[in-house]
Amino acid sequence: SQQGEEDPQALSIQEGENATMNCSYKTSINNLQWYRQNSGRGLVHLILIRSNEREKHSGRLRVTLDTSKKSSSLLITASRAADTASYFCATDVGGNTGKLIFGQGTTLQVKP
Amino acid sequence: EADIYQTPRYLVIGTGKKITLECSQTMGHDKMYWYQQDPGMELHLIHYSYGVNSTEKGDLSSESTVSRIRTEHFPLTLESARPSHTSQYLCASSESGPRKDTQYFGPGTRLTVL
Repeated sequence: SQQGEEDPQALSIQEGENATMNCSYKTSINNLQWYRQNSGRGLVHLILIRSNEREKHSGRLRVTLDTSKKSSSLLITASRAADTASYFCATDVGGNTGKLIFGQGTTLQVKP
Repeated sequence: EADIYQTPRYLVIGTGKKITLECSQTMGHDKMYWYQQDPGMELHLIHYSYGVNSTEKGDLSSESTVSRIRTEHFPLTLESARPSHTSQYLCASSESGPRKDTQYFGPGTRLTVL
């Protein structure tokens, strides 16, 4: 089964509200990354959190990591219509392979 | 924007045709990857490369093959396309070395096999 599972699968909010997405994984990780994908396009890297970090911020993004629960969350504050996209977590299980295992993604719709 | 390019962006072909999906990056990255993604689903790694003349199969079995003759170029080939190969194919690259973990993605090729 997949390493990463995300919930919710879909989220619809109004502009200005906060959006929270969760990711759970099964094995030990080197780091966890969040990516964004606009419809039918490639992925864009948003933020990376290492296994020894608990929280990280980048602009309106806040990521937390709980290695004891093997889970992470991505919070987007003050959402905008342009944030509408699919968001994927990806885990790097280490070994310097660079290989990532992606979750199923959360589709976020921000209504203007 | 990442300097990684994929062509074609869209391809519709008949069963049995041989196709090559192109991927090029100008960032000098050693590591390159091919993912397969069905609509609304997660990405599955099908091939990766650590450098020139290095290729490995990914976690998802694929009938495609890849080559890495030049650092910047990582083409994917299907010898005989079938409808089951219909999907989106995403190419990515990353640097080597400690703490160089971010992958940069191309725009993808959406393949439809009739």
